[in-house]
Amino acid sequence: AQTVTQSQPEMSVQEAETVTLSCTYDTSESDYYLFWYKQPPSRQMILVIRQEAYKQQNATENRFSVNFQKAAKSFSLKISDSQLGDAAMYFCAYWSNFGNEKLTFGTGTRLTIIP
Amino acid sequence: NAGVTQTPKFRVLKTGQSMTLLCAQDMNHEYMYWYRQDPGMGLRLIHYSVGEGTTAKGEVPDGYNVSRLKKQNFLLGLESAAPSQTSVYFCASSYLGAGTQYFGPGTRLLVL
Repeated sequence: AQTVTQSQPEMSVQEAETVTLSCTYDTSESDYYLFWYKQPPSRQMILVIRQEAYKQQNATENRFSVNFQKAAKSFSLKISDSQLGDAAMYFCAYWSNFGNEKLTFGTGTRLTIIP
Repeated sequence: NAGVTQTPKFRVLKTGQSMTLLCAQDMNHEYMYWYRQDPGMGLRLIHYSVGEGTTAKGEVPDGYNVSRLKKQNFLLGLESAAPSQTSVYFCASSYLGAGTQYFGPGTRLLVL
């Protein structure tokens, strides 16, 4: 079964600095998708970024980028120029055609932004 | 364009009572999902649907039933609520199975 591990329950970063959140996963599949979702205090789950495993190029969305290491099964999220609005729980998630149609989530990392 | 909406936002039930959570999406998505989120855990899939009239079990289906009579609606039912079902419930939808899932705002359920 696929598993997703986020080993950092909490992280903090100074405003305007850069922070990297870690995620590792376990799978025997070669074709899959990885996601980072953000959950602010409002509880709404918001997609931050998505990566297709067949793409070698790392996905980027404005200040958010990933470091996708397929062989190492690692998928970290880098947030540049951190802003107060980035404070949230961040969940890494995995999806594959052989995963019973479900997103498998990690347990999350709580990110605090220090003004 | 409201996206994914859920009703109610918050509900308190007594053990043994029943209720239905409603999820609606206006994006013409084929796939819809119900998840639950418990403290210290990510979301876990309860049931899902790959199209109108179809449903399937997810990771934690026991104690829940679902129906997808209309493409835009996905209902989650609790026939006899238990304290273990106290949780935050999220509905999501996607155009394809591998597509990005869009989430509703969540329903907080407390079972006493």
